[in-house]
Amino acid sequence: GENVEQHPSTLSVQEGDSAVIKCTYSDSASNYFPWYKQELGKRPQLIIDIRSNVGEKKDQRIAVTLNKTAKHFSLHITETQPEDSAVYFCAASGANNLFFGTGTRLTVIP
Amino acid sequence: GAGVSQSPSNKVTEKGKDVELRCDPISGHTALYWYRQSLGQGLEFLIYFQGNSAPDKSGLPSDRFSAERTGGSVSTLTIQRTQQEDSAVYLCASSWRGGSGANVLTFGAGSRLTVL
Repeated sequence: GENVEQHPSTLSVQEGDSAVIKCTYSDSASNYFPWYKQELGKRPQLIIDIRSNVGEKKDQRIAVTLNKTAKHFSLHITETQPEDSAVYFCAASGANNLFFGTGTRLTVIP
Repeated sequence: GAGVSQSPSNKVTEKGKDVELRCDPISGHTALYWYRQSLGQGLEFLIYFQGNSAPDKSGLPSDRFSAERTGGSVSTLTIQRTQQEDSAVYLCASSWRGGSGANVLTFGAGSRLTVL
């Protein structure tokens, strides 16, 4: 199956700074790359996703970039706010199944 | 229903007992996933159901774990002879198949299992 690696495992930034989380995947057939946010004690929720036919997607302060040749994709959060503090998971999917990275715990320091 | 429902929300059991965890996906979602999340850890894939196709069981950690999905809707994850290392939150998720919504997962609130 797919193998998704995610870095860093923890990330602390000052409020207002940017945060970047990077993931790599192994299966070249993967074509769907979502990002989930999990706040403490809550269920993961989709925040943004990208499909293999585009290289970048943006939604307000959040953007995701995809490099299919290198098999890596990244999440960018600009102007971070304390409410961005959470664990973020990347994932990669081929035909159907979805494999997650190990997560990044983001802390935004006020 | 409006969302993915899981029961029980909390289960405490003794080592060696069997447990059943239930997931009721969003109506019309053909794909159903089970993941396990140990304290502070990531989402470990367990099993995936898609419509009437044979399930992908490649993530089940041992033969003590099994799952079924009846009528393409409700799923039950069974853990036999529970061990302390089985303690975790078991998350169920469902999704549409096909189209732009394909693979967007909606998660349930999870079942927290504690094995004493």
